[in-house]
Amino acid sequence: NAGVTQTPKFRVLKTGQSMTLLCAQDMNHEYMYWYRQDPGMGLRLIHYSVGEGTTAKGEVPDGYNVSRLKKQNFLLGLESAAPSQTSVYFCASSSWTGANTIYFGEGSWLTVV
Amino acid sequence: QQQVKQSPQSLIVQKGGISIINCAYENTAFDYFPWYQQFPGKGPALLIAIRPDVSEKKEGRFTISFNKSAKQFSLHIMDSQPGDSATYFCAASKETSGSRLTFGEGTQLTVNP
Repeated sequence: NAGVTQTPKFRVLKTGQSMTLLCAQDMNHEYMYWYRQDPGMGLRLIHYSVGEGTTAKGEVPDGYNVSRLKKQNFLLGLESAAPSQTSVYFCASSSWTGANTIYFGEGSWLTVV
Repeated sequence: QQQVKQSPQSLIVQKGGISIINCAYENTAFDYFPWYQQFPGKGPALLIAIRPDVSEKKEGRFTISFNKSAKQFSLHIMDSQPGDSATYFCAASKETSGSRLTFGEGTQLTVNP
C-alpha cells in the first residue's frame, strides 16, 4: 500500500539551479497539495490541484510552479532555487469528500546552498 | 498572517501525565478542525478531528475540546506515554475550499519515562 510517494527524498541544490519534485498517489484522489514545513511555522500550502489539468496558488506560491498532467501525479518545480527555499516539502492528496481523507507523503528534504 | 495559532511550542510531561496543546483560530468560516501527529522523518498523520457542531470528541486517550464562541480548540492526551513523543499540529479548513488545511505552528511533545 504505497499511498502518497515523493521523490527524491533528499536533494542539495546550488542557488539558481532548477529541479522538480514528483508526487504520486495511488488512491484515485481528486485533490493534491504541496506544502512546505519550516521550523516554528507549521506547514504552509504552496500550490494545490482539484483535478487533472488544474492548479491553483496556495499561501506561499512565489518561486514555485506546478503541473498535474495526470490524475495520479503532481509535480512541484523550482525554476531558480534560492536559499529561502531550503525546507521540507510534503505532498498530500485527498478525495473530494473532505479533509478527513487527506494523506501525506513522507517528505522531501531540500537544501539550497 | 497566521490564521491558526498554536501553543505551547514545546511541552515536556512525565509518563502517565496529561498533555494539553491549545489552538486558536480567526476565520469563523472554518468548519473542520483536525489534529495531526508527526514522527521524525515522517509525514503528518491524522490523529483526531472535530466539527463545530460538538464541543468534545474522545478517541481512546485523545480528546479534542472545542469552544466555538472563543474560537479555540485543544488536544488533551491522557496517560501520556513515551511513544506519544512527536510533533503535534492543529489545523483548520473550510470543507467547501477543497479541503485545504491551515496549520498551526506545531508543538514538540516529549514524554519522559
